[in-house]
Amino acid sequence: RKEVEQDPGPFNVPEGATVAFNCTYSNSASQSFFWYRQDCRKEPKLLMSVYSSGNEDGRFTAQLNRASQYISLLIRDSKLSDSATYLCVGGGYNKLIFGAGTRLAVHP
Amino acid sequence: DTGVSQDPRHKITKRGQNVTFRCDPISEHNRLYWYRQTLGQGPEFLTYFQNEAQLEKSRLLSDRFSAERPKGSFSTLEIQRTEQGDSAMYLCASSAQGSGNTEAFFGQGTRLTVV
Repeated sequence: RKEVEQDPGPFNVPEGATVAFNCTYSNSASQSFFWYRQDCRKEPKLLMSVYSSGNEDGRFTAQLNRASQYISLLIRDSKLSDSATYLCVGGGYNKLIFGAGTRLAVHP
Repeated sequence: DTGVSQDPRHKITKRGQNVTFRCDPISEHNRLYWYRQTLGQGPEFLTYFQNEAQLEKSRLLSDRFSAERPKGSFSTLEIQRTEQGDSAMYLCASSAQGSGNTEAFFGQGTRLTVV
């Protein structure tokens, strides 16, 4: 079993839709959680950190459920520019473990 | 540019040759990571440095792979006797030491093709 698992998608949604991604992690000792965004043939870029209390950044909301060991990302009012692969990340300062990513395609 | 810098951006090498990649982290970051990524997969952890000390190493890092960070600043990743299966994007990331979530920032990567 992979340490961080995500639905690979693709999620094909129209502009303006709300889409949610979930991710599970197996290491209960994981301390740090993030969502990264990766465009085709580019490096991953930090989208947002994920905190136990949940956090929001504009159209993006991240949640962490430590009891069930899953992380979620909600994107509201999807834009064409949101099309990318979203990588779920968990771990400690010495090792960040990435999921395989969930592909999102937003269409007009 | 004050971000993470990697060199070269692309490398094509013949099977059996040795290659070396360089990473310059963000200057105030003392944590440095190497990852490898193949098509359709997320980045796979290879190794972690805190300052000059290599504190974590994946079992993916076979004896043909070695990484160094001699002065706690830039790092090198060397692959000896390259194989076609080594073809991948090699990503370097750095982060600052601190409490709570410490985000890692990636360089643009070195794309290795072994022919």
